[in-house]
Amino acid sequence: EAGVAQSPRYKIIEKRQSVAFWCNPISGHATLYWYQQILGQGPKLLIQFQNNGVVDDSQLPKDRFSAERLKGVDSTLKIQPAKLEDSAVYLCASSPELAGGETQYFGPGTRLLVL
Amino acid sequence: GENVEQHPSTLSVQEGDSAVIKCTYSDSASNYFPWYKQELGKRPQLIIDIRSNVGEKKDQRIAVTLNKTAKHFSLHITETQPEDSAVYFCAASSGGSARQLTFGSGTQLTVLP
Repeated sequence: EAGVAQSPRYKIIEKRQSVAFWCNPISGHATLYWYQQILGQGPKLLIQFQNNGVVDDSQLPKDRFSAERLKGVDSTLKIQPAKLEDSAVYLCASSPELAGGETQYFGPGTRLLVL
Repeated sequence: GENVEQHPSTLSVQEGDSAVIKCTYSDSASNYFPWYKQELGKRPQLIIDIRSNVGEKKDQRIAVTLNKTAKHFSLHITETQPEDSAVYFCAASSGGSARQLTFGSGTQLTVLP
């Protein structure tokens, strides 16, 4: 089966600019996650969707970050305006709607550099 | 919320030796513990996982052990090979409807030829 797809793979922007990332989960996976992975650290959850509804966005900096999953499939994550500390890899993951379906499958990530 | 601590942060072993990475978690409700391998510039890939109703699980050269009482779990890699070199992350999930993972800080494993 095809894996989680993300684009772009790399993005370089200046601080205060805006940027958007796209994720297409594995077909049929109801749950979608966005993570931020700062260099040398483990992934940190930003937001979790179940179909097109938000399950948890408690760690999303809502003053500058937003995310949506309008049709319960693809998702976009936006940063506006970006700060230097937003430089990180943004990982998307999905998991199936199965009993005990905690296994998360990750995309290749988008590496963001804010200058 | 859940807190996962992982040790060591770096580990170097000779090819053929064993490697052990340890994690502790804080939430006694956690019941799912995956391990991910992340090679440089690539996505995290699940290599093995264990649920709280099992004490040990093996898959060829990889094994994971879980001690629920002490709230710690470990990854064991035997007969290490250079291609095992990567960053390994442990994670814990409290399951339920949220099914969220909290990750450790990672261990850089280097297998020396």
